[in-house]
Amino acid sequence: ETGVTQSPTHLIKTRGQQVTLRCSSQSGHNTVSWYQQALGQGPQFIFQYYREEENGRGNFPPRFSGLQFPNYSSELNVNALELDDSALYLCASASGSSTQYFGPGTRLTVL
Amino acid sequence: EDQVTQSPEALRLQEGESSSLNCSYTVSGLRGLFWYRQDPGKGPEFLFTLYSAGEEKEKERLKATLTKKESFLHITAPKPEDSATYLCAVQKNDYKLSFGAGTTVTVRA
Repeated sequence: ETGVTQSPTHLIKTRGQQVTLRCSSQSGHNTVSWYQQALGQGPQFIFQYYREEENGRGNFPPRFSGLQFPNYSSELNVNALELDDSALYLCASASGSSTQYFGPGTRLTVL
Repeated sequence: EDQVTQSPEALRLQEGESSSLNCSYTVSGLRGLFWYRQDPGKGPEFLFTLYSAGEEKEKERLKATLTKKESFLHITAPKPEDSATYLCAVQKNDYKLSFGAGTTVTVRA
């Protein structure tokens, strides 16, 4: 059984640029959630997708957007990057509302 | 507003020295409480889910318990490989996880 995978591992961008992060769900999972984790903090919920539709969003501005594809993989897009967007971005997959399993994360640095 | 508070922020233990981590929460309509382990620079690894007060779960040297206002993660006779940050998260019916800031545990040989 393949676990949750994320790409890329690390990314460096400059302020104002746009970035796309990718996530492949664990086999059999149809729910994907994205979280942002700043250094020394717990993960903060960005949004969740269930069967290709967004079904929950945290306190993040509209420049954070996402997609879920028919194979349940997902993308997180961030426009107009700001310095405070530097963080570890985590993807978690689940079967419906069951336990969420996390990927290894993408470390984003905004200069 | 929902709140999840973990204490202490950091814990330094000698190998074999048992201790407990606390997670207190103020959430209406708790669906479940989760414990994860996170190693530096990696994603959280699932440990336990607790659903109702009085429930207990065990895995190797770890035991999690739940009351109506808090959860404890007990580490019995820890080893250096138990060094990590332990995260507590609560889930409501909207299914998102709300995390505490974590407790960083360091176990010295």
